[in-house]
Amino acid sequence: SQQGEEDPQALSIQEGENATMNCSYKTSINNLQWYRQNSGRGLVHLILIRSNEREKHSGRLRVTLDTSKKSSSLLITASRAADTASYFCATDVKAAGNKLTFGGGTRVLVKP
Amino acid sequence: GAVVSQHPSRVICKSGTSVKIECRSLDFQATTMFWYRQFPKQSLMLMATSNEGSKATYEQGVEKDKFLINHASLTLSTLTVTSAHPEDSSFYICSARDGLASSSYEQYFGPGTRLTVT
Repeated sequence: SQQGEEDPQALSIQEGENATMNCSYKTSINNLQWYRQNSGRGLVHLILIRSNEREKHSGRLRVTLDTSKKSSSLLITASRAADTASYFCATDVKAAGNKLTFGGGTRVLVKP
Repeated sequence: GAVVSQHPSRVICKSGTSVKIECRSLDFQATTMFWYRQFPKQSLMLMATSNEGSKATYEQGVEKDKFLINHASLTLSTLTVTSAHPEDSSFYICSARDGLASSSYEQYFGPGTRLTVT
């Protein structure tokens, strides 16, 4: 089964609203990463948060990590139509030789 | 920033033929490259890990004789889908890790190759 499970699977919001998506995982991690993928394209790295970090910001993105609950969240503030994409969390697992395991993804639609 | 390219971006082939996909790191040395496949509206599934100069490590359930991986240099890995069938149609994505970076956690992803087998 996948290491990361994401919630919700799909999200539809109006431009200007915030979008929050969550990722849960099962085993101890080195770090957790969030990626964006536009339809039919490659992945764009958004943020990496290490296991000893609790929160990280990058522009309109805010990522939290709760290792006790084995969960992470990605918040996109003041969303724009250009934020429409699929967002994936990926865990870098200690016992797996630094391979990334991807969650199922959240498809975000930002309506203008 | 680190750039990874893939070629071709799209390929259509007939059932039974073989297709080679190239993954190149353009401005860094990639000691490790990864190959993923992604079905429509699904997540990325790791197929194999490729280390320069050694045999690839395949994930459980991935046929190594069907998906041949060669990582002959620090900037190039190839995936050959042999005797392709329609069920091999998918989006194949490679990623590369910068072996010389002080923090080598980040993987840089290629733009993907869409394979359609008719």
